[in-house]
Amino acid sequence: DAGVTQSPTHLIKTRGQHVTLRCSPISGHKSVSWYQQVLGQGPQFIFQYYEKEERGRGNFPDRFSARQFPNYSSELNVNALLLGDSALYLCASSRMARYEQYFGPGTRLTVT
Amino acid sequence: DAKTTQPNSMESNEEEPVHLPCNHSTISGTDYIHWYRQLPSQGPEYVIHGLTSNVNNRMASLAIAEDRKSSTLILHRATLRDAAVYYCILRDLTGDYKLSFGAGTTVTVRA
Repeated sequence: DAGVTQSPTHLIKTRGQHVTLRCSPISGHKSVSWYQQVLGQGPQFIFQYYEKEERGRGNFPDRFSARQFPNYSSELNVNALLLGDSALYLCASSRMARYEQYFGPGTRLTVT
Repeated sequence: DAKTTQPNSMESNEEEPVHLPCNHSTISGTDYIHWYRQLPSQGPEYVIHGLTSNVNNRMASLAIAEDRKSSTLILHRATLRDAAVYYCILRDLTGDYKLSFGAGTTVTVRA
C-alpha cells in the first residue's frame, strides 16, 4: 500500500509570499494532521482534520490555515511568509483521529 | 501537556539490546504512552504504544512501570537501521489527538 505522500518535496519562497502544501493520506485513513519541524527540534503540531472538520489547532498564527477535501487529502496554506517559517512540514494520516499516525516524508520549505 | 524526560543521546553496539528510558511523573490516568522514531531525512515513524500493561510488537517492546511514572522502550537487537531520534510522547485520547514531540533521544548504533 502507498504511504502518505506530500508535494512538493522542496520549495523556495520569498518573504511575504504565500505557499500551499499538499498531502494525500493512506487509503482508508480519514484523519490528517500537519506538523512543522524546525532544524534540530521535534515536530510541532499545527492542525488536525477528521472527516473534513478541524479537530485541533496548535499555537500557530492565523497566517497558517488548512482544509481537508472529500477524498481526505489536505492542503496547508501559509500566507505572508517569514524567514522563521523555513522548516520541514510534515503531514500524518490516521485511520481515525485517535489512532496512531503515519507520517509522510515532508516538504522542505525555505524562505529567503 | 504532560511532559516527558528522555536522555539526549545513547549509544549501542549492533545486535545488542537497547533500553531507552522515559520519565513522565505527571502522567494522568487517560494518557497513553507512545513512542515514535525519526530516521535521518525521514518523517517520524510509529513504534509502539501502551496504557498500563507491557506491550510487544515486531519492532520493539514497551515496559511500563507499575505506577506509570516511567517507561522503557526496548529494541531487542539493534541494527544500523535503528539509528534514529526516539520520541516518548504522552497522548490523552480523551482530549485532542495531537502528538507533542519533545527533543527525543538520539540513538547511535556502532557496527
